[in-house]
Amino acid sequence: DIQMTQSPSTLSASVGDRVTITCRASQSISVWLAWYQQKPGKVPQVLIYKASSLESGVPSRFSGSGSGTEFTLTISSLQPDDFATYYCQHYNTNWAFGQGTKVEIK
Amino acid sequence: QVQLVQSEAEVKKPGASVKISCEISGYVFSDHGIHWVRQAPGQRLEWMGWINTATGNTKYSQSFQGRLTITRDTSASTGYMQLNSLRSEDTALYFCARWYGEKALDYWGQGTLVTVSS
Repeated sequence: DIQMTQSPSTLSASVGDRVTITCRASQSISVWLAWYQQKPGKVPQVLIYKASSLESGVPSRFSGSGSGTEFTLTISSLQPDDFATYYCQHYNTNWAFGQGTKVEIK
Repeated sequence: QVQLVQSEAEVKKPGASVKISCEISGYVFSDHGIHWVRQAPGQRLEWMGWINTATGNTKYSQSFQGRLTITRDTSASTGYMQLNSLRSEDTALYFCARWYGEKALDYWGQGTLVTVSS
């Protein structure tokens, strides 16, 4: 099975900061990588699919990049609504989530 | 609008089975697969398996092989997830989600809490 590893596990940041989260796959997954945001008590919401495509309705401050085994999610200017947990997910042929990155207020 | 509505919370004893339903509306049931994901309290999302709603073919995570069965009723536009031989570690919020091709899991059910306790 493919393993997905995110870093860091927790990130402390301030409003306006540029934030980057990394996700690594144990083997090449091409561009089959999605990013989700989950707030406490809420359902996950897809932000980015196919590594770099922005889901409709998602603010443009979110962006994704990468291919193969290394991927990043970047929030260009962190907003109060962005404090949440973020998960990467490999999909399409095999399926696996990363362990999550909690973005906290500094 | 697209909706996935799951069945109500369940409390089960260790060793029992649970079956959760996921009724969809707002799209053609057989057009998109349904995945099941769970989340133990304070823990990560864990992919469990999925069903091709057109063919009935399934794929399961190795972590649940032998205990998990995913089925569907196309006439009712409903998917089902049954987990057997429950243990306390299966206490979690269980989600169904629609697989929208390259857009991954774009719509999710509200979640069903399963509590396993003696």
